[in-house]
Amino acid sequence: EAGVVQSPRYKIIEKKQPVAFWCNPISGHNTLYWYRQNLGQGPELLIRYENEEAVDDSQLPKDRFSAERLKGVDSTLKIQPAELGDSAVYLCASSRIFGETQYFGPGTRLLVL
Amino acid sequence: QKEVEQDPGPLSVPEGAIVSLNCTYSNSAFQYFMWYRQYSRKGPELLMYTYSSGNKEDGRFTAQVDKSSKYISLFIRDSQPSDSATYLCAMIINTGGFKTIFGAGTRLFVKA
Repeated sequence: EAGVVQSPRYKIIEKKQPVAFWCNPISGHNTLYWYRQNLGQGPELLIRYENEEAVDDSQLPKDRFSAERLKGVDSTLKIQPAELGDSAVYLCASSRIFGETQYFGPGTRLLVL
Repeated sequence: QKEVEQDPGPLSVPEGAIVSLNCTYSNSAFQYFMWYRQYSRKGPELLMYTYSSGNKEDGRFTAQVDKSSKYISLFIRDSQPSDSATYLCAMIINTGGFKTIFGAGTRLFVKA
């Protein structure tokens, strides 16, 4: 069984530029999560989807971050414009249903210069 | 004060040693307790999951929860160099919806 796929693995951009991350969850997993992990910290939830509906986006900085999960499968997370403080690893995870084991992808490592 | 506190380490032990990793938490409403292992440049992977006080064993790993002291531990017996990773504790709280809170992680190095 394929795991959670994320791309790109690494991204370097200048501040004020836009950036987008893509996630393909495990097949059949209805719940999808986007986390941000700063260096030396644990992951922090940005947004959670149940199928195509965003059910918890309370920690998403909505002035510059947006996300979508069209058709309830793949998801994209966008930052526009990026700031220096956005440098982090952006992790995608999925679970069959909410509350079950989350499986994480390898993450996208973002560096904003 | 953070909701979940975890010593960042690094913790360095010789191969074969027993490793003890710990987290404390402040909110007694936390209901489920987990340990994740994260290798460098990889996503976290779930090691252990428990919801009750006491011990839960899985191979060389034992998870211990003490709800009265708000303290959880992960013990690794016969540690191997392949156990070198960052270990994250995580807890689920129900605040009108379930939310997972992660500790900062402890970096472990097992020397051959």
